[in-house]
Amino acid sequence: QSALTQPASVSGSPGQSITISCTGTSSDIGGYNYVSWYQQEPGKAPKLMIFEVNNRPSGVSNRFSGSKSGNVASLTISGLQAEDEADYYCSAYTSSTSGVLFGGGTKLTVL
Amino acid sequence: EVQLAQSGAEVKKAGESLKISCKGFGYSFSGYWTAWVRQMPGKGLEWMGVIYSDDSDSRYSLAFQGQVTISADKSINTAYLQWNSLKASDTAIYYCTRQRTTWKSPYYYFQYMDVWGKGTTVTVSS
Repeated sequence: QSALTQPASVSGSPGQSITISCTGTSSDIGGYNYVSWYQQEPGKAPKLMIFEVNNRPSGVSNRFSGSKSGNVASLTISGLQAEDEADYYCSAYTSSTSGVLFGGGTKLTVL
Repeated sequence: EVQLAQSGAEVKKAGESLKISCKGFGYSFSGYWTAWVRQMPGKGLEWMGVIYSDDSDSRYSLAFQGQVTISADKSINTAYLQWNSLKASDTAIYYCTRQRTTWKSPYYYFQYMDVWGKGTTVTVSS
């Protein structure tokens, strides 16, 4: 079962906006709104940032937003801050196996 | 506070068996699915499988089917991940998570993971 496809790395300067893409298929991202995004800081457990494409859990900054178009989901972080530097993973339900897929992860560097 | 408490780090030899645990606090543990996620050293996240502790209904990712066993004891709000014969390639951090799920007949849809344990580091030497 192939993972979802994310860029290995992205970078941006403080105050800028960045977008991380996550490409899947019609069996996962394209077929359902069960797309989520996780932030993982070094040495820590992942943290849910976005669920069901574009919903933020309580306590997550509104600088984080999600969207989807066809088989591609995106995470946008606006007003970049140094504390946003982390790995980001997308995830989606897949009907191929009735399970869950993760993307390979994207390392965000704040310059 | 809603949290998942995982058992401590393990150092084992190849061929040995192992069972790690994950205990839920602050919510109705048996009313939610619990998933396990693997992270090999320097690598990404992999969804291994999930269990509904109320009736022990378990589902596995194809990659992990037959390699591990996921079980639960609802009387003590605990889920388990078990190996019968460890390999060096099982060296990883294993996270348990609360897997939010919805039922739309005739399928369960695994939506997202909203609570994560701190992880259990398993080191297997050959």
